[in-house]
Amino acid sequence: GAVVSQHPSWVICKSGTSVKIECRSLDFQATTMFWYRQFPKQSLMLMATSNEGSKATYEQGVEKDKFLINHASLTLSTLTVTSAHPEDSSFYICSARGLNEQFFGPGTRLTVL
Amino acid sequence: DAKTTQPPSMDCAEGRAANLPCNHSTISGNEYVYWYRQIHSQGPQYIIHGLKNNETNEMASLIITEDRKSSTLILPHATLRDTAVYYCIVNENSNSGYALNFGKGTSLLVTP
Repeated sequence: GAVVSQHPSWVICKSGTSVKIECRSLDFQATTMFWYRQFPKQSLMLMATSNEGSKATYEQGVEKDKFLINHASLTLSTLTVTSAHPEDSSFYICSARGLNEQFFGPGTRLTVL
Repeated sequence: DAKTTQPPSMDCAEGRAANLPCNHSTISGNEYVYWYRQIHSQGPQYIIHGLKNNETNEMASLIITEDRKSSTLILPHATLRDTAVYYCIVNENSNSGYALNFGKGTSLLVTP
């Protein structure tokens, strides 16, 4: 099946710094990618929808100036967590829409100290 | 909000069939039933999807009731590696561009 990769797989940063997470569709082109966040023992929560060449659409309650999304090509979307704080510590997962189903990346675990 | 209802947890003995139910009584005519699973600390993995006919692939079978208000995912011979959280999701076909909205899922524990 199609493969979606994420980099890095985990990151630890200091409070106040920014962290960039990359999501790549490795063997198909994805005009739409999605970013999710998952806190411990909870389900995945959709953060935003990323469309190639246009602005992302954010879910209610997700700050667009804090979670910057760029989808500059058909195979790459990036999520930048700006001025990260401990409450941003979470498991961030991207997915890319294929022909018949969505494929998910392996996730990035962010820990903000 | 998730449009599905699943039991929070289930147990299954290794080698036995695992039958995971899902209620989706408000499903609309153009919505598919998708099943994904998430093994601890990994991204969700696609299992199977269907519209109204039963479906089978190398991983599982999907049985959808005639009125489409419920479905059952069947893992025919569960192994320890099938221990995961299983999510039943209703959504239009992926080409619609709509994101998959995850409910709480069913935590399946396969025991030796």
